[in-house]
Formats: sequence, structure tokens, C-alpha cells
Amino acid sequence: ILNVEQSPQSLHVQEGDSTNFTCSFPSSNFYALHWYRWETAKSPEALFVMTLNGDEKKKGRISATLNTKEGYSYLYIKGSQPEDSATYLCAPAARQLTFGSGTQLTVLP
Amino acid sequence: DTGVSQNPRHKITKRGQNVTFRCDPISEHNRLYWYRQTLGQGPEFLTYFQNEAQLEKSRLLSDRFSAERPKGSFSTLEIQRTEQGDSAMYLCASSPGSNQPQHFGDGTRLSIL
Repeated sequence: ILNVEQSPQSLHVQEGDSTNFTCSFPSSNFYALHWYRWETAKSPEALFVMTLNGDEKKKGRISATLNTKEGYSYLYIKGSQPEDSATYLCAPAARQLTFGSGTQLTVLP
Repeated sequence: DTGVSQNPRHKITKRGQNVTFRCDPISEHNRLYWYRQTLGQGPEFLTYFQNEAQLEKSRLLSDRFSAERPKGSFSTLEIQRTEQGDSAMYLCASSPGSNQPQHFGDGTRLSIL
């Protein structure tokens, strides 16, 4: 079982602010890093799956980077909107996904 | 593609009873996963299937828990002799293969009285 840490645990930002979160994981026995977004009363939604060191993926205003050598990934949200309010979960994949506890983002209008 | 479907959405039962949950994955997905999620935590892996074969079970999964996927389509998760600590959200997900995004259902929330 991998030890996955996400920070910060929660975050409040104003609409229009840009923000970023960190996911840290052991760099050995790794073959992919997943990011999911989980809105209250909905099911988790896949954002990205990254496998290569230095990988960078983008989906609209959300992007993510991956450093497998040092064992971290950053998720960035540019110009946050209230609809971005959700818990953002990362999950490195070894034999199975191990989820972090998530970063709970609240975007205030 | 109707998404991953789970039922029931909510289950309230008395301690000691058996419960069974059902998951219908996206039809072309051969991988099916079960997770448990408690307040303030991310989903915790329980088990997964590739087609009808159960390929991995978490060491945390007690022998009161059993899962099946008899025809490689829908899956059931049964908990026997439920305990207070089994109260959680049980999530099912499916994917077309490894290193692919997992598609989650809305979950079954279990409450043990």
C-alpha cells in the first residue's frame, strides 16, 4: 500500500484566482498517476492519467504535471470558478490505485 | 454509454444482517473495481475483476466480504454479519484496461444501526 499525501487538505479561494495543489507519493513501484475530481453528491470524475516523468496534461483551465523521480504531481486551476468547487483526489497506481485524502477546494463568488 | 450504475443508493440495516450491493459497469469495460470510502478519506481499494476473474483483494478485506462477477458483466459485493465499522460509501468503478481512467458509479451508502 502506497503512502499518498495531498496538500493542502482544504483551500478557499476567490473566483478568478489561480490555485494549485500537491500530491506526493513514493517514487518506486509506480507506473501511473491518476487525478480525479469529486463534487458533492456526484461520483468521482477522471481528470488525467499520467505515466511519464515530466508529463504535462491540460483540460480547459485545469492542468497537471508529474515528477516520477521525486514522487510528486501538481494540479493547477487557472481562473477558478465556483463550479470548480470539489474535492480533488490523486491516486498513484502500483498494483492498484491508492487514493490520497484529497484537497477540498471551495471557490467563493 | 449509460455510465456505471450502482444499487441500492442507500442501505440501512441492523448490525449482524447480511447486505448485497450490485454494480453494472460500462458494457465494454473488462475491468471492475470496488472501493470503500469513509468521511474525510479517499476511496480505499477493496478488490478488482478482469472479466469474471477476481485478480486482487485488499489485505484489509475481511472474510465477511465477498465479491463476484459471474459472467464478466455486473458484479455483486456481499457483506455478511455486518458490523458498525462497515458503515461507509461503497463505490464501484470500471475501466477498459490498466492505466486507463476509471469511471465511477454514484455509490451505495451503507448505514449500520
